[in-house]
Amino acid sequence: GAVVSQHPSRVICKSGTSVKIECRSLDFQATTMFWYRQFPKKSLMLMATSNEGSKATYEQGVEKDKFLINHASLTLSTLTVTSAHPEDSSFYICSARDGGGSYEQYFGPGTRLTVT
Amino acid sequence: AQKVTQAQTEISVVEKEDVTLDCVYETRDTTYYLFWYKQPPSGELVFLIRRNSFDEQNEISGRYSWNFQKSTSSFNFTITASQVVDSAVYFCALSEPRNTGGFKTIFGAGTRLFVKA
Repeated sequence: GAVVSQHPSRVICKSGTSVKIECRSLDFQATTMFWYRQFPKKSLMLMATSNEGSKATYEQGVEKDKFLINHASLTLSTLTVTSAHPEDSSFYICSARDGGGSYEQYFGPGTRLTVT
Repeated sequence: AQKVTQAQTEISVVEKEDVTLDCVYETRDTTYYLFWYKQPPSGELVFLIRRNSFDEQNEISGRYSWNFQKSTSSFNFTITASQVVDSAVYFCALSEPRNTGGFKTIFGAGTRLFVKA
C-alpha cells in the first residue's frame, strides 16, 4: 500500500528554536497533505491543509506564523514550528491524499516533538 | 457542520469477549466517507476501513465487522473474540467535501480498548 514517511520521528529542542518536520509520500503524488496535532490521550486535531503550489489553509485557532507549512512538491510538505515553546510539545501527524482521485488518505508515523 | 462522537472513552474486556465500539456522526453532506483507524502505543495510525455514504453494506474482515446505519448516523465497529493485541485506541473519522474544494477529515475523540488476558 501507499506509504507516507515523516522525519524526524522524534525531536527534542530548546525553547525559542525552530523545528522542521518533513512529510513525504513515497510512492504516489499527493496534491493535498494534512497536518494534525495530537496531545497525549487526545484525538487528532486538524491544523492545516497543505496544497501543492499554493498557500496552506489553516483551521480556526491555528497560528499560521507559528506553524509554517510549505508544500513545495507533489511528494513533500514541511511543517516548521517557529520559536517553539513547551506548550508546542505534541505528536504531529501528517497525512497525504492520493492525487489519483481515489480519495484515499494515508497517514505518516508521526513526529513526537518535545520542547524543553 | 461535521462532528464525530465516540461516547465510550475506555472499554475493558477479557480476552475472547466480543466488543463493540460506537461511532455517531453528523454531516450535512450527502457525499461523505467514514473511517476507522487503530492507534497502537507506537502512535502510528493503522487504517482499518473506509465506507462511502452510498454504500450501507455491512462488512466483515476476519474478527472485525462494521455496521453502517445511515438512519441513525452510526458506524459501529465490532471485534469478535478479542485478543490482547487488539488493545489500542480506535478512532472513527468522517471526511466530507469542503466548500473550497477537496475533503476535510475530522476524528472522534477515540475509544481506548484494553483487552486483558
